[in-house]
Amino acid sequence: EAGVVQSPRYKIIEKKQPVAFWCNPISGHNTLYWYRQNLGQGPELLIRYENEEAVDDSQLPKDRFSAERLKGVDSTLKIQPAELGDSAVYLCASRRGGGQGRMNTEAFFGQGTRLTVV
Amino acid sequence: DAKTTQPPSMDCAEGRAANLPCNHSTISGNEYVYWYRQIHSQGPQYIIHGLKNNETNEMASLIITEDRKSSTLILPHATLRDTAVYYCIVRVASGGYQKVTFGTGTKLQVIP
Repeated sequence: EAGVVQSPRYKIIEKKQPVAFWCNPISGHNTLYWYRQNLGQGPELLIRYENEEAVDDSQLPKDRFSAERLKGVDSTLKIQPAELGDSAVYLCASRRGGGQGRMNTEAFFGQGTRLTVV
Repeated sequence: DAKTTQPPSMDCAEGRAANLPCNHSTISGNEYVYWYRQIHSQGPQYIIHGLKNNETNEMASLIITEDRKSSTLILPHATLRDTAVYYCIVRVASGGYQKVTFGTGTKLQVIP
């Protein structure tokens, strides 16, 4: 079974430019998360989807960040315009959901996209 | 979600048991204890989780105190590949909407 796939793996852009990250979750996983991880810190949740609905986006800087999950499968996270402080690793994770066992509650993470804004 | 406290770093000799502590004194009755680890340049990886009973799987053992205010992750025979940042998280696991909130974790260095 393929894991969570993210692309690109690395991205370097100039400030004020737009950037987009793509995530393909594990097939059948209803819950999808986007996290941001700054150097030396743990991941911080940006947004959580249950199927195609964004149910927790309280940490998403809505003035410049946007996300979508069309048809409840793939998701994209966009930043426009990017700022120097947006340099971080952006992680996508997915979870099956629907119960308490490990199969339902374990979240699987992708390798992340490392963004450098110069 | 309840807050957790972990030591920032630990060393462990290769082949010895690594015992990683976590305090979660404000844990609620319906919150589980989860452990993830993150090897350099990779995404976090699930290790184990439990509610109140001790748990064991192929990767590790989880010991939860009777009052559930703290827990210990045990890697029985640490290898160099276990060098990583280990995150202890508490959250509701059953139904509803939930999120995983990470702290800064414990950086485990396995020494040859």
